[in-house]
Amino acid sequence: AQKVTQAQTEISVVEKEDVTLDCVYETRDTTYYLFWYKQPPSGELVFLIRRNSFDEQNEISGRYSWNFQKSTSSFNFTITASQVVDSAVYFCALSGNTGGFKTIFGAGTRLFVKA
Amino acid sequence: GAVVSQHPSWVICKSGTSVKIECRSLDFQATTMFWYRQFPKQSLMLMATSNEGSKATYEQGVEKDKFLINHASLTLSTLTVTSAHPEDSSFYICSAVGTSPFINELFFGEGSRLTVL
Repeated sequence: AQKVTQAQTEISVVEKEDVTLDCVYETRDTTYYLFWYKQPPSGELVFLIRRNSFDEQNEISGRYSWNFQKSTSSFNFTITASQVVDSAVYFCALSGNTGGFKTIFGAGTRLFVKA
Repeated sequence: GAVVSQHPSWVICKSGTSVKIECRSLDFQATTMFWYRQFPKQSLMLMATSNEGSKATYEQGVEKDKFLINHASLTLSTLTVTSAHPEDSSFYICSAVGTSPFINELFFGEGSRLTVL
């Protein structure tokens, strides 16, 4: 069975602080993908990143960075110098090959960035 | 890049009526599409897997007669909420797994917000 755990329900930070959103996953698939999505109040899902199971390189994109650790089954997401516009719900998701790539979502972490 | 389009973006209907939501892959083919439902302040829950040319596979607890899924072509899947009731009010999101040319890429639609009065 596949599972994604986002233990942090809500996080509140002040602008310019760094914040890390945790994601732990479980899967028996050898090939799988991990995702992060942002859902602003308007509701649409904004794709942030996809990482496949064979690529453990960390990635940085502007103020965003991701730390993929297969040994601990974690795929954490850090926002550096947070901004008010980062306020949203962030979902970590997992998609495995044996499930036909159906995607399972974590419960989401609601991030509040205060000015 | 590839886009998945959902229509309508939002719909309000009376209790007892049926509502159809379309999920269309633009510029790519998708033999598999997924339908999700999201209640307020909750995560996305997978409802069903829609495969082109065959019956949909529903997740446990999802009524297949209530949520009719049709995947008649490589670019279109539809979700029909039959005899809708207020408890069906939700945000419905589809995703499509690319075959050609975006093999195994996953794309999400922008969602459809259903309000049943």
